[in-house]
Amino acid sequence: DTAVSQTPKYLVTQMGNDKSIKCEQNLGHDTMYWYKQDSKKFLKIMFSYNNKELIINETVPNRFSPKSPDKAHLNLHINSLELGDSAVYFCASSQALRGYEQYFGPGTRLTVT
Amino acid sequence: GEDVEQSLFLSVREGDSSVINCTYTDSSSTYLYWYKQEPGAGLQLLTYIFSNMDMKQDQRLTVLLNKKDKHLSLRIADTQTGDSAIYFCAESSRILTGGGNKLTFGTGTQLKVEL
Repeated sequence: DTAVSQTPKYLVTQMGNDKSIKCEQNLGHDTMYWYKQDSKKFLKIMFSYNNKELIINETVPNRFSPKSPDKAHLNLHINSLELGDSAVYFCASSQALRGYEQYFGPGTRLTVT
Repeated sequence: GEDVEQSLFLSVREGDSSVINCTYTDSSSTYLYWYKQEPGAGLQLLTYIFSNMDMKQDQRLTVLLNKKDKHLSLRIADTQTGDSAIYFCAESSRILTGGGNKLTFGTGTQLKVEL
């Protein structure tokens, strides 16, 4: 009965590769987010989607492309991975009228070598 | 822009109260939050407070908001070893088109509970 799930939990890859992280929520929420947590635990929002429409895109390189096939899924595709992309990526979701309650997934630890 | 600051570390003895502090700069903050992150885990929403409130209590947790000083605190009564984690303060002020909030997080406070 996981609320917000992400796959994979760990991802190790080489520079220059392209990879995807998947996120699914079964809470019936209509807004989903991607956050990045760096090695110093600093968390910053990357993207937000509402009803499959992009509503936040925070100065993220265009190598990062979110895709929302439906309201329950928000995937993150990263092209040409760089060392600096190593981080933990968190997906979150909320209901529009209760956007102040965001629920986070367990995170995906991406390591670029 | 928004900025949220926290002290990095706090160490307390089991059974004592913990107080984690946070300051923010955005005077238009509407909601303020406390999240907990245990090692290797995601973020757990502990509690939140609307900007028109001064205090909120939820079992062992007490949140105090001083809007004039832009200061938020989280008090954990009878702190237990299971409370050891990183605690993040966050604020949001933007109501996004169609709903949802943009959260700005603090740097996190590592709480260590000693026996």
